[in-house]
Amino acid sequence: KNQVEQSPQSLIILEGKNCTLQCNYTVSPFSNLRWYKQDTGRGPVSLTIMTFSENTKSNGRYTATLDADTKQSSLHITASQLSDSASYICVVSAASDYKLSFGAGTTVTVRA
Amino acid sequence: NAGVTQTPKFRVLKTGQSMTLLCAQDMNHEYMYWYRQDPGMGLRLIHYSVGEGTTAKGEVPDGYNVSRLKKQNFLLGLESAAPSQTSVYFCASSSLSYNEQFFGPGTRLTVL
Repeated sequence: KNQVEQSPQSLIILEGKNCTLQCNYTVSPFSNLRWYKQDTGRGPVSLTIMTFSENTKSNGRYTATLDADTKQSSLHITASQLSDSASYICVVSAASDYKLSFGAGTTVTVRA
Repeated sequence: NAGVTQTPKFRVLKTGQSMTLLCAQDMNHEYMYWYRQDPGMGLRLIHYSVGEGTTAKGEVPDGYNVSRLKKQNFLLGLESAAPSQTSVYFCASSSLSYNEQFFGPGTRLTVL
């Protein structure tokens, strides 16, 4: 069964600090990996999408990496801001049917 | 351009009652999806549609029905609500199966 595991489940960081979120997946065959940001009470919004041949993708202060060999991805948040407080969801698409497998998310809380 | 909208935003039902959730998108997308999000779990696909007049089962379809009579609308029905259907429901749409999915704001449903 295709699975996506995220760690940590939650973390608290001080404003201005950096943090890294992890995603491991077993989805095969692999099509692409996406990171979504979900604010409380809102729907997920796409941050980055990476295909097999891409190993890094940035969107402002968000940088995602992908190691397709080890089936791992990370999302790095630089110089965190209060508005970064949200749940970050790793989503992997299978090449066989393009259906999405969602991780449970990492809840990030940024404190002043 | 409103993107993906969902109505209602909140709803409380008693066991056995029925209701319909409405999703509308104004991006002319072919694909539409209904997900449910439960605490500690990733989003799970309930039903999806690859075009007007077509629907298909997702990962957790039992207890739900859907209809796609118009390209821009995707309805999710609960014929006899059960407490296990207490969840947050998200609708999403995409232009192609492997393209980015755009999510609505969600409907929080409580079944007593």
